[in-house]
Amino acid sequence: QQQVKQSPQSLIVQKGGISIINCAYENTAFDYFPWYQQFPGKGPALLIAIRPDVSEKKEGRFTISFNKSAKQFSLHIMDSQPGDSATYFCAASIMSGGGADGLTFGKGTHLIIQP
Amino acid sequence: GAVVSQHPSWVICKSGTSVKIECRSLDFQATTMFWYRQFPKQSLMLMATSNEGSKATYEQGVEKDKFLINHASLTLSTLTVTSAHPEDSSFYICSARDPRTAKNIQYFGAGTRLSVL
Repeated sequence: QQQVKQSPQSLIVQKGGISIINCAYENTAFDYFPWYQQFPGKGPALLIAIRPDVSEKKEGRFTISFNKSAKQFSLHIMDSQPGDSATYFCAASIMSGGGADGLTFGKGTHLIIQP
Repeated sequence: GAVVSQHPSWVICKSGTSVKIECRSLDFQATTMFWYRQFPKQSLMLMATSNEGSKATYEQGVEKDKFLINHASLTLSTLTVTSAHPEDSSFYICSARDPRTAKNIQYFGAGTRLSVL
């Protein structure tokens, strides 16, 4: 059972455009939703994260939108640049239990920003 | 952000041998570390949760006798792949939870690529 569904699998965006990646979760106990960026051969790096008590969080060009009732959240990358080309993973975990839970990842989105 | 170091970054071994991978938190004490496995162009799958001073908690389907985890100190967790076989070839990534952060952020190591011949 895949608990976090991510789409699209791949995405091509023109430089300067907006990249949008969507995720949906099933487990209502999840209360922490981070997004990670991964370059080939490297470990994931935390981009931005959100808790369900807010509907949107913005950090620089990256924005998370969160819809608790729909159990969906999305990553928006504004003014996308070639350097943003990477694989992006959404994830979810349960924080309220003391933070001892590992992350459940989506399948990833391979993002290509065309110059 | 916090730094998590993973070593080695790449290892090639013969079938039947054992390989040890180290995960260190360099600037914080991590009571909890996690081990993930990632196949090419696929997602990360949680293998086990490593708790300092106690036995690791393995996810369903992960062989605890195959993947030995030791978290002997607050800054070091090791994963030993015992009697490795070609199907164990994968990218193994550790993460450490930073207890200094209110959000218990997990920081990831750079990963270890294991190739079993």
